[in-house]
Order: sequence, then structure tokens, then C-alpha cells
Amino acid sequence: NAGVTQTPKFQVLKTGQSMTLQCAQDMNHEYMSWYRQDPGMGLRLIHYSVGAGITDQGEVPNGYNVSRSTTEDFPLRLLSAAPSQTSVYFCASTGVLSGNTIYFGEGSWLTVV
Amino acid sequence: KNEVEQSPQNLTAQEGEFITINCSYSVGISALHWLQQHPGGGIVSLFMLSSGKKKHGRLIATINIQEKHSSLHITASHPRDSAVYICAVRRPDSNYQLIWGAGTKLIIKP
Repeated sequence: NAGVTQTPKFQVLKTGQSMTLQCAQDMNHEYMSWYRQDPGMGLRLIHYSVGAGITDQGEVPNGYNVSRSTTEDFPLRLLSAAPSQTSVYFCASTGVLSGNTIYFGEGSWLTVV
Repeated sequence: KNEVEQSPQNLTAQEGEFITINCSYSVGISALHWLQQHPGGGIVSLFMLSSGKKKHGRLIATINIQEKHSSLHITASHPRDSAVYICAVRRPDSNYQLIWGAGTKLIIKP
């Protein structure tokens, strides 16, 4: 099925460890983004990309890196995990071919202990 | 003051009731999105509006550009409609970036 595939769904990390959340879409969307959602709060933009080779910071970029080497993939790297990064992470994509409808991945539940 | 405000924050209703969720914004926009998030996860796009009204099943979304206001209506509500409903707006110069409302938590009791 077409859509946004996000992995892993659940992950527990120790403080200081690094990891990568994977995100892939097969809709040829230009725009991809990563959000975090904390309990009782709305979505906050971490990083986004408007095309391959182009990334930019969102509202809460500290502690995260991204790259966009292909149109399909947009991984999010946690460089040195901290308990404050315990959250649910969502990848999203949108583009002209989908009439600018937003598609979300299923979410990644990350706990940093 | 937030640029996108939703009301009410929480709403509990009985099955069958007509539901209205409101979204007001203070910036110029090129489009407004309504999304749904069920407990435990996934976020699904319901509507994208730039003018007028859209309908899908029991869901109706309207927007008044002059008043900077949108409403999401649910007719004949059902417990499976229980979810958080989120409004987000896209600015004309934003390169797809969205400004998000805080969400409205809807509970429909049987």
C-alpha cells in the first residue's frame, strides 16, 4: 500500500545512545517532515525537507539530525539520547501529486532511560 | 496568542448528537487542514480546504476566509468518532510548513 512507512514502532534507549528513526514514502512527495508529540501537547516540528538534498530546522531541532539523499527517505538521527527526548515521533509527507494532502507514518514511541 | 486556536479543548457528547469543532486563525493562509488522531496513534488527514465546504460521509468541513474561521461537523456521531481532531493552516509563503492547533479531544458515549 502506498503511504509513509516509519520504523521502529517502539524503542527504548539508554541516555547517551544514538539511533536512527527511518521514514520512507512511495508517493514521490517533495516535502517530508518529522514531528514530536508529547503527552497532552500538539505536534512540534523538528526538521523538514522540501526536496532531495535540502533540509531545514523546525521548531525543536536540537539533539536531532536529518538528511535527504533521496526523494523517498528522510531518516531522523538522535545523536546522544536524553530523557527529554522521550516522546512519540511522527514522520509526514505531502506533495503536489497528492493534492497537498498530508500523510503520516504510524508513529514511533521512543523512551530514553 | 496562538495563531491557530481550536475550541472546545474537550467535548463529550452522546451517540447520535451533532458535533461542531471550531478553528480560528489569525494569519493569511493558502489552505486549512483537518486531521484525526485516534488514541494510541495514527494521524489521518480528513480534509484540506481553501474555500467553501467539503463533505465526506458524516463529516462536513467549512471555511470562511473573511472571518478566518473553519468548522468541522460530525452528524449522527458514533463512539468510533472518539478521537482528537486537529486543525492546521498553511501560509502562502511557507513551503508546506503548517501552523498547528492544539487539538480537540472528542468523546462520544454510547
